[in-house]
Amino acid sequence: KAGVTQTPRYLIKTRGQQVTLSCSPISGHRSVSWYQQTPGQGLQFLFEYFSETQRNKGNFPGRFSGRQFSNSRSEMNVSTLELGDSALYLCASSLATSGDTGELFFGEGSRLTVL
Amino acid sequence: GQQLNQSPQSMFIQEGEDVSMNCTSSSIFNTWLWYKQEPGEGPVLLIALYKAGELTSNGRLTAQFGITRKDSFLNISASIPSDVGIYFCAGLMDQFYFGTGTSLTVIP
Repeated sequence: KAGVTQTPRYLIKTRGQQVTLSCSPISGHRSVSWYQQTPGQGLQFLFEYFSETQRNKGNFPGRFSGRQFSNSRSEMNVSTLELGDSALYLCASSLATSGDTGELFFGEGSRLTVL
Repeated sequence: GQQLNQSPQSMFIQEGEDVSMNCTSSSIFNTWLWYKQEPGEGPVLLIALYKAGELTSNGRLTAQFGITRKDSFLNISASIPSDVGIYFCAGLMDQFYFGTGTSLTVIP
């Protein structure tokens, strides 16, 4: 059974640009959540989607957005990139029902470097 | 956001030794998860805990969900070189909150 797949694995952008990251969850998982991981802050929750609806959102500015498609695949977008957005962006899928959040299974992440 | 205090921050141990680490918080959590992350990789789920007092093992790993629901512990017995990595906890309330990680180095 394939795991969580994230693309691209690595990317370099410059300040002011925008970026879109993609995540394909484990087959059958309907919940997808996104996290930002940095050495100083650790793992920080961005948002969670379930059945194409954003179910929960962390404390990130509006430049960070996401969406989920009918096949449960998800994308996140960061607009007007800043140097501080350099991080490993992790996607996690979960066999969650509509009322709870199950175990998180992570992808390998997308390493974003902003110059 | 909620803080999960994870300790120790790093550990240097000899192969064969046992390892203990823990996560504590002032808040009550409904689920505790423990992960291991190696360089360039995503976190891998090691153990999941769902009930206060629950003790669960996965091979040489044993984790416990604290009675107060505010803490959790992970033990690794008879460490081996491939145990090297960063271990961190995750606690579930309205969302998952993560510990800052314990970096484990095993000296052969």
